Amino acid sequence: KNQVEQSPQSLIILEGKNCTLQCNYTVSPFSNLRWYKQDTGRGPVSLTIMTFSENTKSNGRYTATLDADTKQSSLHITASQLSDSASYICVVRQYGNKLVFGAGTILRVKS
Amino acid sequence: NAGVTQTPKFQVLKTGQSMTLQCAQDMNHEYMSWYRQDPGMGLRLIHYSVGAGITDQGEVPNGYNVSRSTTEDFPLRLLSAAPSQTSVYFCASSYSDETGELFFGEGSRLTVL
Repeated sequence: KNQVEQSPQSLIILEGKNCTLQCNYTVSPFSNLRWYKQDTGRGPVSLTIMTFSENTKSNGRYTATLDADTKQSSLHITASQLSDSASYICVVRQYGNKLVFGAGTILRVKS
Repeated sequence: NAGVTQTPKFQVLKTGQSMTLQCAQDMNHEYMSWYRQDPGMGLRLIHYSVGAGITDQGEVPNGYNVSRSTTEDFPLRLLSAAPSQTSVYFCASSYSDETGELFFGEGSRLTVL
């Protein structure tokens, strides 16, 4: 069964600290993987896309990694800010354009 | 560009009532879709459309209807609302390419009493 599992479910960190969010998937055949950020009361917004051949991609303080062999991705946030408080959703696209969504990780950054 | 616009943002219905959630996009996207988001669960696809005049069912289509008469608009109709349809609904659109970044609306929070 095609699934996307995210961990942890929720996370609280102090402003300025780093954190890493995990995404494990069983989707096959794999096309690409996106991380979305969803602020409270808003729609998700894409942060980055990872394709099969990419290991690491950065978008400002956000760095995504992909290990296609173990079917794992991570999103690392450096020097967290209060505005990073949000839900982060991992979405895997299967060839044939089916999307499989993770349940998300809720991040809260405290001052 | 306004992107994807959803209305209303909030709605309270009684069981058995019907209503339409509106969705419009101004990016000339061929692909449009409706999702529902419930606590602790990933976004679930209700219905989608790959172009004007073409719609198809997603993962959880029961109790919902859609139509796509223009490229811009993709309304979602609840035929006879049930408490199980209490949720936050998101409309999304994208180009029909393999990268497929979804552009989401702000969401519509629906409560069915």
